[in-house]
Amino acid sequence: GAVVSQHPSRVICKSGTSVKIECRSLDFQATTMFWYRQFPKQSLMLMATSNEGSKATYEQGVEKDKFLINHASLTLSTLTVTSAHPEDSSFYICSARSVRLAGSDTQYFGPGTRLTVL
Amino acid sequence: AQTVTQSQPEMSVQEAETVTLSCTYDTSESDYYLFWYKQPPSRQMILVIRQEAYKQQNATENRFSVNFQKAAKSFSLKISDSQLGDAAMYFCASVSGQGAQKLVFGQGTRLTINP
Repeated sequence: GAVVSQHPSRVICKSGTSVKIECRSLDFQATTMFWYRQFPKQSLMLMATSNEGSKATYEQGVEKDKFLINHASLTLSTLTVTSAHPEDSSFYICSARSVRLAGSDTQYFGPGTRLTVL
Repeated sequence: AQTVTQSQPEMSVQEAETVTLSCTYDTSESDYYLFWYKQPPSRQMILVIRQEAYKQQNATENRFSVNFQKAAKSFSLKISDSQLGDAAMYFCASVSGQGAQKLVFGQGTRLTINP
């Protein structure tokens, strides 16, 4: 149980284009989803927190107009990188938690998306 | 604010031996949870073990156990009978039981298993 999927696993795009990454909780309803960015050999950096049906809360220094997050349902959150540039190239990971699960404090992670912007 | 510190960037252990990964944390919360996550080369974050701070008993999951020293704010992970598949980056993390419940991660420890 508590499986989170992410799509696509890898994407290459041209500079200036937008890319959408989907995060789905497959066997539970996620009351909260989180988006992280991970640089090589570093820890995870939280970008934003999203609750179903409400606006995402962004961490300091994260451009909300650049990284659009939508949490339209209890099983789906999307991250759109708008007008992507090479410096946006990174590994993006989502996670989900649910107040309805035993151990509601636990976050379950998706497999990540490697974004390369040319 | 919570902080998590892993002071060992790299560790290595012989296959079948036991290894302990260190983690210290700091928090002003009374209600919090602690985790160890594993990130193998696939980069999928996998939950290894979870500890509720209000429980004195150390959590165990098969070959994985923790030594939770609340007063010292220490939360180490012991891996017994190390296997090649245990090779990964290990992250210690904490979350407050209140509010947004954002995970705070340590810097990570890269564990190598020598055959």
